[in-house]
Amino acid sequence: EAQVTQNPRYLITVTGKKLTVTCSQNMNHEYMSWYRQDPGLGLRQIYYSMNVEVTDKGDVPEGYKVSRKEKRNFPLILESPSPNQTSLYFCASSLSGYSYEQYFGPGTRLTVT
Amino acid sequence: AQTVTQSQPEMSVQEAETVTLSCTYDTSESDYYLFWYKQPPSRQMILVIRQEAYKQQNATENRFSVNFQKAAKSFSLKISDSQLGDAAMYFCAYRPRNLIFGKGTKLSVKP
Repeated sequence: EAQVTQNPRYLITVTGKKLTVTCSQNMNHEYMSWYRQDPGLGLRQIYYSMNVEVTDKGDVPEGYKVSRKEKRNFPLILESPSPNQTSLYFCASSLSGYSYEQYFGPGTRLTVT
Repeated sequence: AQTVTQSQPEMSVQEAETVTLSCTYDTSESDYYLFWYKQPPSRQMILVIRQEAYKQQNATENRFSVNFQKAAKSFSLKISDSQLGDAAMYFCAYRPRNLIFGKGTKLSVKP
């Protein structure tokens, strides 16, 4: 089944404790992206990747890191999480940066206390 | 700056009736895509309908249709014969390359 998977689905952590949210797709997509969703703000892009080893900042990249060493994986790293990073996170992928449809993962609910 | 505006934070419709959700966007691009996504309580993002900017014909998917006015930069979603399962957050999105989302409209469906 073609899909985007994210792990974990739920995470509660404390300020300053490094964490990684994994994202993997099995569709051989070149383009992958991370979004955060906050009430009243919609979804905002954090980082995106046009292909392996090519990443770029989105609208809200502060406090996040990403890497794209393999085509299928695009982990989101929070080196020192803070409470304002409490949010719902989505990973998405598409065939290319210019393809019209993005496929979304199920979301990761992160709470930083 | 490229922006997407959904002016209705919440809307309500009676089951079996028709409702229209509004969306406007700001862009200087000539080639782009527009989307409506549905987010039910499960939080999954579900693509409802898409429109290519170069196509004049409005997209239709079963009970869902759009009214795309390129000159006015308007992209509204019409849901016909509303069903209880249509209750969700609806996000309008615009894509020259990266997806830019509006803030969403929460749709309630009354039985």
